[in-house]
Amino acid sequence: AQRVTQPEKLLSVFKGAPVELKCNYSYSGSPELFWYVQYSRQRLQLLLRHISRESIKGFTADLNKGETSFHLKKPFAQEEDSAMYYCALKASGSRLTFGEGTQLTVNP
Amino acid sequence: DVKVTQSSRYLVKRTGEKVFLECVQDMDHENMFWYRQDPGLGLRLIYFSYDVKMKEKGDIPEGYSVSREKKERFSLILESASTNQTSMYLCASKGQGDGVRYGYTFGSGTRLTVV
Repeated sequence: AQRVTQPEKLLSVFKGAPVELKCNYSYSGSPELFWYVQYSRQRLQLLLRHISRESIKGFTADLNKGETSFHLKKPFAQEEDSAMYYCALKASGSRLTFGEGTQLTVNP
Repeated sequence: DVKVTQSSRYLVKRTGEKVFLECVQDMDHENMFWYRQDPGLGLRLIYFSYDVKMKEKGDIPEGYSVSREKKERFSLILESASTNQTSMYLCASKGQGDGVRYGYTFGSGTRLTVV
């Protein structure tokens, strides 16, 4: 069975500091990994997916199959990055398995 | 340009009541999902449907059932509501195959309180 773990429930950084949100997964096959974000009073939305190897709002994430990780990184955090972030794994079909979430707060 | 609509934003029900949560999408998506969102537990899949009249159990289906009579509508039913079903319920939909960004489209959620 697949599992996604986000070890930090809360993460607080200062504006301009680097930020890394950790995500580890367990799955025996070849996974697809995603990061979703939920800003205050907004819907959950897709931030990025590992297949695209894209940078969205300055965030990047690299899939490390050896360490089974998909950490989300941004070199200089902004106050508008404050949100709840969820890591998700697609194993087969269309269903996603989500992690517990990390609440990021960027302080001025 | 709302694409996934959940009929109620807030709902308060009594223990033992039968509760219906409705979700409608206008994107002609085949796949629809019901999750519950709880602090510290993330999103947990209750049920999903990949076609009309088709349903599959997710990770926590106990105490819930679903109905999908039409492609655009996916209903979550709490047969006999209990206080441990107090939660935020999120509906999502997704089309077949890769879209531009291959993501779920989520509704705004229904916060259900069972008293």
